[in-house]
Parts: sequence; C-alpha cells; structure tokens
Amino acid sequence: EPEVTQTPSHQVTQMGQEVILRCVPISNHLYFYWYRQILGQKVEFLVSFYNNEISEKSEIFDDQFSVERPDGSNFTLKIRSTKLEDSAMYFCASSEDLFGNTIYFGEGSWLTVV
Amino acid sequence: GDSVTQMEGPVTLSEEAFLTINCTYTATGYPSLFWYVQYPGEGLQLLLKATKADDKGSNKGFEATYRKETTSFHLEKGSVQVSDSAVYFCALRTNSGNTPLVFGKGTRLSVIA
Repeated sequence: EPEVTQTPSHQVTQMGQEVILRCVPISNHLYFYWYRQILGQKVEFLVSFYNNEISEKSEIFDDQFSVERPDGSNFTLKIRSTKLEDSAMYFCASSEDLFGNTIYFGEGSWLTVV
Repeated sequence: GDSVTQMEGPVTLSEEAFLTINCTYTATGYPSLFWYVQYPGEGLQLLLKATKADDKGSNKGFEATYRKETTSFHLEKGSVQVSDSAVYFCALRTNSGNTPLVFGKGTRLSVIA
C-alpha cells in the first residue's frame, strides 16, 4: 500500500538552529499538509499546500515556518530559528482530492529542541 | 469554529470486553468524520470514516455510525484485544475547500490480558 514517508524520524537540535523536515507524499496525491503533536496534546493543523502554494495555515504557522515542494516528490517543512516550544512530533500528510477523501499520514518526525 | 470532543482517557479494559469511546462534534455544514489510531511509537493511521449522516464506518472489528441528530460518531468494538492498545483520535473535516482535519484530544486505550 502506498505510504507517506518522512525523514528524519528523530532530530535533536539546539535552540535557534534551522531545521528542515522532509516528506515524500503518496505519488498521485495533490494536497499536502503538515500537522504537529506536542507531547500529550492534540494533533494540530499547521499548513496545507496545493498547486505549489499554501492554501491554508493556522495561527501556529508563523514567519518562522515555511514549506516548499522543491521537486516533484518532496515536501519540506522548515523552521527557521527553533524554539524550545517547537519540540513536537511533526506529521506530514497527503490526500488525493478535497472532499471526504482520506488524509494519509506519515509516521512522523520527532523534533527535540534543547 | 469546528471542534471535536472525545471522552477523557485513559481507558483500561480486559481482553474481550466491549469498547465505546464517545465522540461528539460541532461543525458548520456537513463534515466527514474519521477515527484515527496511533499505536505506540507509530504515526496516525486511518481506522474508519463516514462521509454522510447514517453512514457506518467499519474496520478491524471497530464500528462508528455518523449520527447527525446527536452530532456524534462513537467508536465501538465488541471484543477488544491486547493489540488494540493505542491512542484513538476522532476527527472531522468540513466539506468545503481544502479544509484541514480537526482532531479531538485523543483517548488512550489499554487492554490487559
């Protein structure tokens, strides 16, 4: 079964450093997402991406965050200057189309900021 | 805004017990409803979904029925196994534009032999 793959599975970084989390969505999917889950809390939406541009973003997704689809397969989340509170599991997801269709999640990238 | 409310966990059951995890929602329009499961150390996996009122989603012995009149989507399983131990998330997605999933807080289920 096709799956969303994410790298790295775990990254430790120092506060203030830049981090790039990488994702390969399912190949025929057109809509891409990043979510995060701070330990013990609910899964929160960060951003959605379609047709090479951001279609929606949450309040969490401030100027420190950016997303990019640098080629035909990868979808990246960059955090410019990490803060302690950015420590979380970051999930990439993709879906084939808009309505009712399943959003498929990757296994997550666990980011620890020290 | 849209929201999902799940019963608080953790829930601890003996093997073969009956499981219910309550989920209610608030949404504008007519959302699609989902249950996702997160096994220890793994990512989110879709368990089941329902896209319109009275639809029943089912998978791996789990079921949930989309009840528009009570705005609920309770998850049930007749006989749980130790391997069902996980965190279960109820979620909705409104059918307008590229809207994100809105998740509940999750309910941790532990099944003991």
